[in-house]
Amino acid sequence: QVQLQESGPGVVKPSETLSLSCSVSTGSFSSSSHHWAWIRQPPGKGLEWIASISYSGTTSYSPSLKSRVTISVDTSKDHFSLNLNFVTAADTALYYCARRATSSWSAFDIWGLGTMVTVSS
Amino acid sequence: QSVLTQPPSVSGTPGQRVTMSCSGSSSNIGMNTVNWYQQLPGTAPKLLIYSNNQRPSGVPDRFSGSRSGTSASLAISGLQSEDEAEYYCAAWDDSLNGHVVFGGGTKLTVL
Repeated sequence: QVQLQESGPGVVKPSETLSLSCSVSTGSFSSSSHHWAWIRQPPGKGLEWIASISYSGTTSYSPSLKSRVTISVDTSKDHFSLNLNFVTAADTALYYCARRATSSWSAFDIWGLGTMVTVSS
Repeated sequence: QSVLTQPPSVSGTPGQRVTMSCSGSSSNIGMNTVNWYQQLPGTAPKLLIYSNNQRPSGVPDRFSGSRSGTSASLAISGLQSEDEAEYYCAAWDDSLNGHVVFGGGTKLTVL
């Protein structure tokens, strides 16, 4: 069973860059059938998709975050990453990484446990 | 303000059948499949229904989904206390180079 695990800094200062990483269990990352995604959830609020990437590096971004976000893959280390620039308090959220299923572009069938990020000085 | 519109809350009693809606537009639900997620308190979301009406392995057949035009629905029959959770719909939106959109979520309370 594929497992995902997020890692992040916990706290980031306003205007700085948030960097997150998602480790994918060995042997499952190189499938060309799957894309990988970041999704966040502010405290007490709903889900917001941030970005997706394929193993080969094809990306898609949320229109509202596109100017500040970069998603990338490291195929040699079986993980993918997210950078979010110029963070503000509105970026405080639980950040999940997820695998996109092959059946639908908005079906995420495996999720990590999430990593909480707080933007605070 | 979410692109997909869901009622904030629904409720039902054990054994009852409940439904919840997800309303979108021609660029998302009208053109692409809908997926539903269940989020139990303090846990990550779980894919409940994919491609409008398909259940992943392990999801009970009490859960069913449908899509018509620019709207979708999730139905839960034989309601159980453990079904109390937040439910989200999602779809791909073809506008603005394409992106995923979620509904704001519906809180299901089992009375």
